[in-house]
Amino acid sequence: DSGVTQTPKHLITATGQRVTLRCSPRSGDLSVYWYQQSLDQGLQFLIQYYNGEERAKGNILERFSAQQFPDLHSELNLSSLELGDSALYFCASSVERNTGELFFGEGSRLTVL
Amino acid sequence: GNSVTQMEGPVTLSEEAFLTINCTYTATGYPSLFWYVQYPGEGLQLLLKATKADDKGSNKGFEATYRKETTSFHLEKGSVQVSDSAVYFCALSFPLSGTYKYIFGTGTRLKVLA
Repeated sequence: DSGVTQTPKHLITATGQRVTLRCSPRSGDLSVYWYQQSLDQGLQFLIQYYNGEERAKGNILERFSAQQFPDLHSELNLSSLELGDSALYFCASSVERNTGELFFGEGSRLTVL
Repeated sequence: GNSVTQMEGPVTLSEEAFLTINCTYTATGYPSLFWYVQYPGEGLQLLLKATKADDKGSNKGFEATYRKETTSFHLEKGSVQVSDSAVYFCALSFPLSGTYKYIFGTGTRLKVLA
């Protein structure tokens, strides 16, 4: 158990809809990262938050947005969903000290029909 | 820029065979290097890490040595088991603008046959 919690684990929705994925980082971790993993593809970095502020942006579509709340949990909002958005979405947190290794949640599997 | 290149899979081995998964990197400065493992249906787990040149990371029989002269961090295991079947990701991290940036390789799928 990494200590990072993601909900929901599975989500099935239709094209055009909007969903919210939630992530609770490990206790004490200030940084949250979001990644997308499509079938047979590697990890695509989406966005990073540190203590409530956006720190880095990767290949995140304009239809996607995220935020980190004062209690440090984060939400990833995906709107106007398309078939190609079907993927595993991972959240990871980091203590931002020393080696800064990432701790991953188990992911939220999104299926868009 | 910084990057990670790892061998393409899938790699298929028989149980008790020797495993090597190659990973090379390009980086300025002195990144930390990691191997993560993703078992079916799960998230990524840190397998081992090394933070400076010549460091050897090891865990669960896996080893990797931080080779600055060859910019490599190859993953090895002397005798694989069926339970090692997973996807392995090489990664590096470096400090940037007060935080850490991570670069992941594309992953190498390992299948171990009984």
